[in-house]
Amino acid sequence: GAVVSQHPSWVICKSGTSVKIECRSLDFQATTMFWYRQFPKQSLMLMATSNEGSKATYEQGVEKDKFLINHASLTLSTLTVTSAHPEDSSFYICSASGTSGFWTGELFFGEGSRLTVL
Amino acid sequence: GESVGLHLPTLSVQEGDNSIINCAYSNSASDYFIWYKQESGKGPQFIIDIRSNMDKRQGQRVTVLLNKTVKHLSLQIAATQPGDSAVYFCAENMGGNTPLVFGKGTRLSVIA
Repeated sequence: GAVVSQHPSWVICKSGTSVKIECRSLDFQATTMFWYRQFPKQSLMLMATSNEGSKATYEQGVEKDKFLINHASLTLSTLTVTSAHPEDSSFYICSASGTSGFWTGELFFGEGSRLTVL
Repeated sequence: GESVGLHLPTLSVQEGDNSIINCAYSNSASDYFIWYKQESGKGPQFIIDIRSNMDKRQGQRVTVLLNKTVKHLSLQIAATQPGDSAVYFCAENMGGNTPLVFGKGTRLSVIA
């Protein structure tokens, strides 16, 4: 199956710093990528949808200036958590959707990035 | 709409027994449904999917049932194994490049 890679898988940072998480589709072109956030023992919450070459669409309640999303190419999307605070600590997961040849609706998920803000 | 819970329900089953995990979805316009397995610290892993024009689909040791009348989805795992222990999420979308909306998840614990 298609592979989506996330990096880093684990990051610890000081409060006030910014952290960038990368999401790459390794063997297909991802026209659309989705970023999810997951708190412990909870479900995945959609943060934003990004289409290659255009601005991301954020879900209600997600600060776009806080969570900067860039989808500059068909194989890479990045999520930057700016001026991170302890409440931003979470598990961030990206998923990617391809073009033709993929089943409608099927998404491929990265392995997730665990962010801990001290 | 979204279905998000604060606490994961847990299902405990004996090794070798069958497991049934249930999910209620809220969007009657959803066209596509997927079951995912998530192990601790990892991303969701695809198990099986079903389109809204079907009511049953079988995979290897797994079966998904869809009841659109009551907006209910279930995942049946035959001969449950210790390796099946994980959190299981149902997800839905309206097809195409629309985002998946996840259900609250169920933790499956297999007792050896």
